[in-house]
Order: sequence, then structure tokens, then C-alpha cells
Amino acid sequence: AQSVTQLGSHVSVSEGALVLLRCNYSSSVPPYLFWYVQYPNQGLQLLLKYTTGATLVKGINGFEAEFKKSETSFHLTKPSAHMSDAAEYFCAVSGLDSSYKLIFGSGTRLLVRP
Amino acid sequence: DTGVSQNPRHKITKRGQNVTFRCDPISEHNRLYWYRQTLGQGPEFLTYFQNEAQLEKSRLLSDRFSAERPKGSFSTLEIQRTEQGDSAMYLCASNPAANTGELFFGEGSRLTVL
Repeated sequence: AQSVTQLGSHVSVSEGALVLLRCNYSSSVPPYLFWYVQYPNQGLQLLLKYTTGATLVKGINGFEAEFKKSETSFHLTKPSAHMSDAAEYFCAVSGLDSSYKLIFGSGTRLLVRP
Repeated sequence: DTGVSQNPRHKITKRGQNVTFRCDPISEHNRLYWYRQTLGQGPEFLTYFQNEAQLEKSRLLSDRFSAERPKGSFSTLEIQRTEQGDSAMYLCASNPAANTGELFFGEGSRLTVL
């Protein structure tokens, strides 16, 4: 069975500092991996995804993530945090079974201090 | 291109009442998914449809829950005899037949059971 672990339910950074949100996955098949962002009382918006090919994936709003198979990780980074980045971030895995459903981690709330 | 639409956005009901949520997926997306999200948690898969066929149901979907997608377009999620534990955000998502792995989410329907 597939699963996702997000280390740290809350991460606090200063504006302009590096953002690092951690995600480790478990999958018996080559996974598709995703990062979604959720603002209060809203749905989920895709930040970026890894399917095949280049392991460093760039997304919207300056975010990027690197797929490391040996570490079963897909950590999300952004060089310089902005106040508008404050939100909940979810890592998800799809095992490419016939449903294509996503399995989500429990989320990391990013707080950005002025 | 309209996104996934969910109605109502908010529903407050008394314990024991029935509620129904509607989801209109992105046009021509043949897969439709329902997720439940409780406070501080990631979305949990409930069920999914391919066209009008309901192909998978999670153990989370008790017999008080029923979902339909009668014409393969919009879907409804009904909860009968609501309980306080049903209070959550109910998220709908869709994806196209030419699957890229990504799910496109609506803004959710928040249920509060008093």
C-alpha cells in the first residue's frame, strides 16, 4: 500500500528565508508525486508534479521539488519565502492503479514571519 | 475553461438530518473523486467514478453515505442521519481520460453538524 509522510506539521520561516517542506513516500511501483497548496477555506491547487523524466521539477510561485528514489523523498523548496506563501501544503502519491486516486500526507502548515 | 464546481460551499445542519452535496466536474473529465478532509488532516479518499460507474469505495464510506453520478456528468454525495463526526470539508476532484495523474479540485463543501 502506498503512503506519504510529511515531517513537521508546522514550519515557520522568516520572509526571505529558504523554505523546505519534507515528504517521504512509500510505493511498490514507480510513483507519480505531487505537491498541492491549500489556502484557508479553499480547495487544493497543484504546485508541481513528478511523473517521469527529470527529477528536479519546477512549479508555480517559485517552488521546486526533487525526486530522490534512493531516499524515497520528494521535498519541496523555495529559495526565498514570501508572506503570500503562508498556507497548508500537501504531498501526495499516485500508484498508477486503475483509479489514479491520490494518497495524501497529513500536511504541513507554513507560517511566514515578517 | 471552468473548474470543478461544488455546492453548497457551506452547510450547517442538525444531527440526524440528511444533507446532499453536488459536484460539477470539468467538462469531459470522465473520472470524478470524492474526498473528506477534517481539521488539520490531509484529504482522505472516499470514492471515485469513471463515467457513471462507481468503481471504488473506501471503508470510510459508511452505509449512511451514498454517491451517484447518474449521467456521467455531475455527482451527488448524500449523507443520511448526519452525526457530529461527519463534520468536515468534502472535496470533489476530476481528471481526464488522458490521465496526467493530476486531480483538479473544487473549493469544497464544508459541513457542520450541530
